[in-house]
Amino acid sequence: DIQMTQSPSSLSASVGDRVTITCRASQSIRDFLHWYQQKPGKAPRLLIYAASTLQGGVPSRFTGTGSGTDFALTISNLQPEDFATYYCQETYSPFQKTFGQGTKLDIK
Amino acid sequence: QVTLKESGPVLVKPTETLTLTCAVSGLSLTNPNVGVTWIRQPPGKALEWLAHIFSDDERSYSTPLQTRLIISKDTSKSQVVLTLTNVAPVDTATYYCAHIGLNYDSSGNNYYALDVWGQGTTVTVSS
Repeated sequence: DIQMTQSPSSLSASVGDRVTITCRASQSIRDFLHWYQQKPGKAPRLLIYAASTLQGGVPSRFTGTGSGTDFALTISNLQPEDFATYYCQETYSPFQKTFGQGTKLDIK
Repeated sequence: QVTLKESGPVLVKPTETLTLTCAVSGLSLTNPNVGVTWIRQPPGKALEWLAHIFSDDERSYSTPLQTRLIISKDTSKSQVVLTLTNVAPVDTATYYCAHIGLNYDSSGNNYYALDVWGQGTTVTVSS
């Protein structure tokens, strides 16, 4: 099974800051890596798919990079609505589609 | 506009069978390459992929749960149904269904990005 290690598990930042969340796969997943944002009591929302492609309607301050085993989600110029939990998900493996453990981003 | 909505029991007893329904609107489950997946999230924990079904009836299940899960679809009702047998308290979670986006790599492999989600339905397993 592919293991996904997401870090950090939590992060405090201020409005206007730039933050980076990383996700590491236990084996190459090419670019089959996606990022989701989840707010309390709400369903996840797709932000970036295929490691670096911005989903329609998502602000350009969200950037995804990486391929193979190492990936990152960077949020520039943090806005109040960005404080949420973020998950990566690999979809390379046929029988797992594993999510990372999540990164909770809160206001410093 | 594609929308999905989950429904099912709020409370289920241990050892019982849980049946959840995902009502899909805005697209037909008979259209080529249409896929729906189920994801769950225990309280305060991470997301867990459970199963998917595509319009050609291709199905896949999470390896740890494959002996307890059945996914099916009723195209006339535009619904996808997930059944989980022999439930236990660890199955307490919010269950989501989601649409599998139609994004492909250069070799024609679906990236399987979940672009539309239902609101989720919360299930508690308790006696």
